[in-house]
Amino acid sequence: EIVMTQSPATLSVSPGERATLSCRASQSVSNNLAWYQQKPGQAPRLLIYGASTRATGIPARFSGSGSGTEFALTITSLQSEDFAVYYCQQYNRWYTFGQGTNLEIK
Amino acid sequence: EVRLVESGGDLVQPGGSLRLSCVASGFTFSGYYMSWVRQAPGKGLEWVANIKQDGSEKYYLDSVKGRFTISRDNAKNSLYLQMNSLRAEDTAVYYCAKDQDVITSGEIVVYFESWGQGTLVTVSS
Repeated sequence: EIVMTQSPATLSVSPGERATLSCRASQSVSNNLAWYQQKPGQAPRLLIYGASTRATGIPARFSGSGSGTEFALTITSLQSEDFAVYYCQQYNRWYTFGQGTNLEIK
Repeated sequence: EVRLVESGGDLVQPGGSLRLSCVASGFTFSGYYMSWVRQAPGKGLEWVANIKQDGSEKYYLDSVKGRFTISRDNAKNSLYLQMNSLRAEDTAVYYCAKDQDVITSGEIVVYFESWGQGTLVTVSS
């Protein structure tokens, strides 16, 4: 099983600032990596697929990078609606998620 | 607009059975892989099963193999999950997801493009 490890578990950032979330795979997943956003009481929403391609309707302030085993999700100029939990997920071999990063208001 | 509406979640005793349903609209249901993904209370996400467009191929998380069965009815735009021999650790919100398939190293894999709102399954005596 490919284990996905996200860091940090919690990230405190002020509105308007930049946030960078990290995701590491236990073995290479090429660019078969997606990012999801989940707000309390809601279903996850796809943000990024193919490590760096924004899904339909996702604002340009969200960007993904990386390949192989190291990935990042960067959110520039944080808006109030961006504070949520973020999950990475590999789909190179079966499907596994990271444990999530809680992005909270500082 | 893609819409996925799950139903069927309930409180069930250990060893019991439950059938979840998901009705899809806003896209050509028969053209997509579909998945079930679950989330235990306060925990992260876990893929459970998925099914090919025509139902000819089905894949499962190891811990549910032999207990859960995924199926679909393309005429009814519906996805199902039959869950038998339920355990306490199956307690979770179960989400239906529309998959987007990708070919990698000659195999088809998917990511989860759209999600329903989920239905809660609680396994407890």
